[in-house]
Amino acid sequence: EVLLLDSGGGLVQPGGSLRLSCAASGFTFSSYAMSWVRQAPGKGLEWVSAISDSGGTTYYADSVKGRFTISRDNSKNTLYLQVNSLRAEDTAVYYCARRMTTLTTFYFDYWGQGALVTVSS
Amino acid sequence: QSVLTQPPSVSGAPGQRVTISCTGSSSNIGAGYDIHWYQQLPGTAPKLLIYGNSNRPSGVPDRFSGSKSGTSASLAITGLQAEDEADYYCQSYDSSLSGSVFGGGTKLTVL
Repeated sequence: EVLLLDSGGGLVQPGGSLRLSCAASGFTFSSYAMSWVRQAPGKGLEWVSAISDSGGTTYYADSVKGRFTISRDNSKNTLYLQVNSLRAEDTAVYYCARRMTTLTTFYFDYWGQGALVTVSS
Repeated sequence: QSVLTQPPSVSGAPGQRVTISCTGSSSNIGAGYDIHWYQQLPGTAPKLLIYGNSNRPSGVPDRFSGSKSGTSASLAITGLQAEDEADYYCQSYDSSLSGSVFGGGTKLTVL
């Protein structure tokens, strides 16, 4: 069974940092690209970042570029998101998701349970 | 303002058929990029419902179907059940933004 377990969320002051983790099991982690998707309270889904299976290529939404860093440790089956220079608008539940591809696009077939990041003074 | 536009809400009685639209533009759906759909039950993570416009993952009932035409896509749910009450999101790729994009979500209420 594919399982993704998100952790590392919490309350942080504006300008602060956190590292989110996603522990994967039930599949060959090193064979799949992964992503982070977030959801602000009461709002819709927003794609944040993606990383290739090897970790050699990364992608970011414009809203987080330069502040967030996605990485992975395939030896530990773990995905990370380092979030820096946090703003109030970054308050959201952050989900890791396994990324799959069709001929033209990407989609997310398995999701973690989410980690809540609250940015407030 | 989401790149993909969905109605904020739809409703239907048990047993009825409802559709949820997802309207994009020439940089996403109209460019030929596939559409995918997710169901999010209250307080839970999203779940993949339809991928590649019309394909259902294993375990998704055939009451759920997807289609795409031009710059729009639709999710249809037949034989509506109380357990279908959830938020539904469409998702694709946008070449102008160089990333995945979601619709704003549609809340389905089963009357």
